[in-house]
Amino acid sequence: EAGVAQSPRYKIIEKRQSVAFWCNPISGHATLYWYQQILGQGPKLLIQFQNNGVVDDSQLPKDRFSAERLKGVDSTLKIQPAKLEDSAVYLCASSYAQGLSQYFGPGTRLTVT
Amino acid sequence: KQEVTQIPAALSVPEGENLVLNCSFTDSAIYNLQWFRQDPGKGLTSLLLIQSSQREQTSGRLNASLDKSSGRSTLYIAASQPGDSATYLCAVTNTGNQFYFGTGTSLTVIP
Repeated sequence: EAGVAQSPRYKIIEKRQSVAFWCNPISGHATLYWYQQILGQGPKLLIQFQNNGVVDDSQLPKDRFSAERLKGVDSTLKIQPAKLEDSAVYLCASSYAQGLSQYFGPGTRLTVT
Repeated sequence: KQEVTQIPAALSVPEGENLVLNCSFTDSAIYNLQWFRQDPGKGLTSLLLIQSSQREQTSGRLNASLDKSSGRSTLYIAASQPGDSATYLCAVTNTGNQFYFGTGTSLTVIP
């Protein structure tokens, strides 16, 4: 069974630029999560999708972050414009259903200079 | 808001020793608790998931316990090996399906 795929693995941008991350969950997994993990901290949930609907985006900075999951499969997370404090690893995870084990991708390491 | 704390933040033990990692949470209205392992530069690997109605789960040398009323979970690692070196994270799902991670315990097993 293929795991959760994410791209790119690394990205360096200047502040005020835009960036997008892509995630392909495990086939058949209805629930998809995006997390932000700042160095030395645990992951923080940004947004949770159930199929193509948003379940929880309470911690997503909506003035600059957006995410979508068209057709209930792949998802993209966008930051526009980026700030220095957005430097982090962005992790995507999926699960068969809410409350079940989550499977994580390798993450995208973002550096904002 | 749920707060998840892990103590200690870092731990170093000699190979072969048994060890316990601790996780505490402030809101006992949880759906489940999950322990993960994170290797440097990699994503998270799920180790054990305990439903709120369960007291413990075991997988090989790992045993996780849950005391929901006191807001505590422990991860017991038997006969530690250098390959166990990683950061261990616990995460709780509350009854509103919101997911909260602890800050992790960085484990080093010395050969």
